[in-house]
Amino acid sequence: GAVVSQHPSRVICKSGTSVKIECRSLDFQATTMFWYRQFPKKSLMLMATSNEGSKATYEQGVEKDKFLINHASLTLSTLTVTSAHPEDSSFYICSAGQGTSSTDTQYFGPGTRLTVL
Amino acid sequence: DAKTTQPNSMESNEEEPVHLPCNHSTISGTDYIHWYRQLPSQGPEYVIHGLTSNVNNRMASLAIAEDRKSSTLILHRATLRDAAVYYCILRAALVFGAGTILRVKS
Repeated sequence: GAVVSQHPSRVICKSGTSVKIECRSLDFQATTMFWYRQFPKKSLMLMATSNEGSKATYEQGVEKDKFLINHASLTLSTLTVTSAHPEDSSFYICSAGQGTSSTDTQYFGPGTRLTVL
Repeated sequence: DAKTTQPNSMESNEEEPVHLPCNHSTISGTDYIHWYRQLPSQGPEYVIHGLTSNVNNRMASLAIAEDRKSSTLILHRATLRDAAVYYCILRAALVFGAGTILRVKS
């Protein structure tokens, strides 16, 4: 199957700093990527849809000014957690697919563990 | 959004078949049924997907009810490496439910 990578795999930062997470589709182009957050023993929660060349679409309750998404190319989307606080500590996962129709399979990255001290 | 309902957990013996059910009574006619599984501290892994007909691949089989309101993921011979959280989602919704924790006993 297609490969999606994330960098870094884990990051520890101080409260108030910003952290950037990269999501790359390695062997295919993705016009749309998705960002999820997962708390311990919980399911994945969709945060936003990242669209290449246009603004991201955020789910209800997700602050767009806090979670900045940039989809600069067909193989790269970045999520920046601005002014991170301990409650932002979570497992962040991206996914990408070759299309957005119901039949298209999403391929997930390995996730990024963010710990805010 | 169309949602899915799965049992919280299931247990299986190694080398035996496992049937993981999923209810999706509000599914629309164009929604594909996708199954993913997730190991601890990893991103979800694609397992299988289908629309109306039963589907088979190297990992599993997917049996879809005639009215499409439910489906069953079938692992033909469970191994310890199959222990994971299994998610059934309707691709159009991109909403992950709680999933089913599958435990495999040796």
